[in-house]
Amino acid sequence: DTEVTQTPKHLVMGMTNKKSLKCEQHMGHRAMYWYKQKAKKPPELMFVYSYEKLSINESVPSRFSPECPNSSLLNLHLHALQPEDSALYLCASSQDRNTEAFFGQGTRLTVV
Amino acid sequence: DQQVKQNSPSLSVQEGRISILNCDYTNSMFDYFLWYKKYPAEGPTFLISISSIKDKNEDGRFTVFLNKSAKHLSLHIVPSQPGDSAVYFCAASAWGFGNEKLTFGTGTRLTIIP
Repeated sequence: DTEVTQTPKHLVMGMTNKKSLKCEQHMGHRAMYWYKQKAKKPPELMFVYSYEKLSINESVPSRFSPECPNSSLLNLHLHALQPEDSALYLCASSQDRNTEAFFGQGTRLTVV
Repeated sequence: DQQVKQNSPSLSVQEGRISILNCDYTNSMFDYFLWYKKYPAEGPTFLISISSIKDKNEDGRFTVFLNKSAKHLSLHIVPSQPGDSAVYFCAASAWGFGNEKLTFGTGTRLTIIP
């Protein structure tokens, strides 16, 4: 199994909604990441979890709340988002912080 | 400040020919470089990497060249195939920071013409 699986693939939510994005990998990777990608832009790092502990928060607004319940799962809880938060949200994992990261297919989020 | 630059937003190449994608970087601390390929509505797929102790790395049809003095790397695809049509991102990181400081370029859209 060499996949990073993200659900849902598409999500439309209102500005007052609470939703969660999920990410799962079974490669035994110990580092997991959330990225945000806007159209025609490179992916931008949001959060890094290393050995299930949050190690990096790239000054992301508190309306995005990551959670790592175990070494295979990574969630991103969303609350009170703004339309400008609409983007492709990518999850990635790597064996450790210095090896290549494998990305999931992403969740296309639209905030209305 | 864009530390990793891909100055060609798009590139068209005839099927069977060589595709050369270029990437420049400004941060001399970068010592590990990767290329990712991305299809629309999908996440990036890792292609090939190179560390600064090497100047070339090959994997099948893909070869990455690194010129440290020029702070330049390139990805060669030969022969190019229609399935290679995608957006290609180069990315760089610094030892000790790893993926926590993985910096992506803006991407080059490669179109292979049958």
